[in-house]
Amino acid sequence: GENVEQHPSTLSVQEGDSAVIKCTYSDSASNYFPWYKQELGKRPQLIIDIRSNVGEKKDQRIAVTLNKTAKHFSLHITETQPEDSAVYFCAASIEGWVTGGGNKLTFGTGTQLKVEL
Amino acid sequence: EAQVTQNPRYLITVTGKKLTVTCSQNMNHEYMSWYRQDPGLGLRQIYYSMNVEVTDKGDVPEGYKVSRKEKRNFPLILESPSPNQTSLYFCASTPSRVSNEQFFGPGTRLTVL
Repeated sequence: GENVEQHPSTLSVQEGDSAVIKCTYSDSASNYFPWYKQELGKRPQLIIDIRSNVGEKKDQRIAVTLNKTAKHFSLHITETQPEDSAVYFCAASIEGWVTGGGNKLTFGTGTQLKVEL
Repeated sequence: EAQVTQNPRYLITVTGKKLTVTCSQNMNHEYMSWYRQDPGLGLRQIYYSMNVEVTDKGDVPEGYKVSRKEKRNFPLILESPSPNQTSLYFCASTPSRVSNEQFFGPGTRLTVL
């Protein structure tokens, strides 16, 4: 089955700096890679996702890059703000129910991002 | 409002006392699943359902049961809870086989003493 590794587990940056979180996956058939943000005591919220037919996607201060050959993808947050402080999870899955697992997401173990003033 | 709901949100129970955590979605989604979240381990899938009466095991199904008698509901059943099932549980739903975007419920914090 799919295995997703995420690094670093904790990340501390100064407000205004950039933050980068990296994930690798094992199943070359995976084609959907979402990123979730989870604030303390809240549910995971989708912040951006990328599919394997593109190499990069950007939404304001957030961007995700995908390297299918190397099987890794990264989340980039620019001009970080205190409200960016949260736990971020990457995930990988195969869309289209081509396998028996349906829409299963395999998650990384999370990165605690702290943006300091 | 389109949403996934879970009840209860918090539960403290004792070993061996059967419990059910309910999950309901009002978006007519086909696919529903349960995850547990533990520190340092991320979210791990317990069970999933691809439609009514179709359920299957995820990565950590031991000690859990589910049912899908109606499209909107997907309860998680712990027949004989044990302390190692103390965790934060999330239900999630996905609209169709075309998209894997998952919508999460608010979570249920379970403590088994």
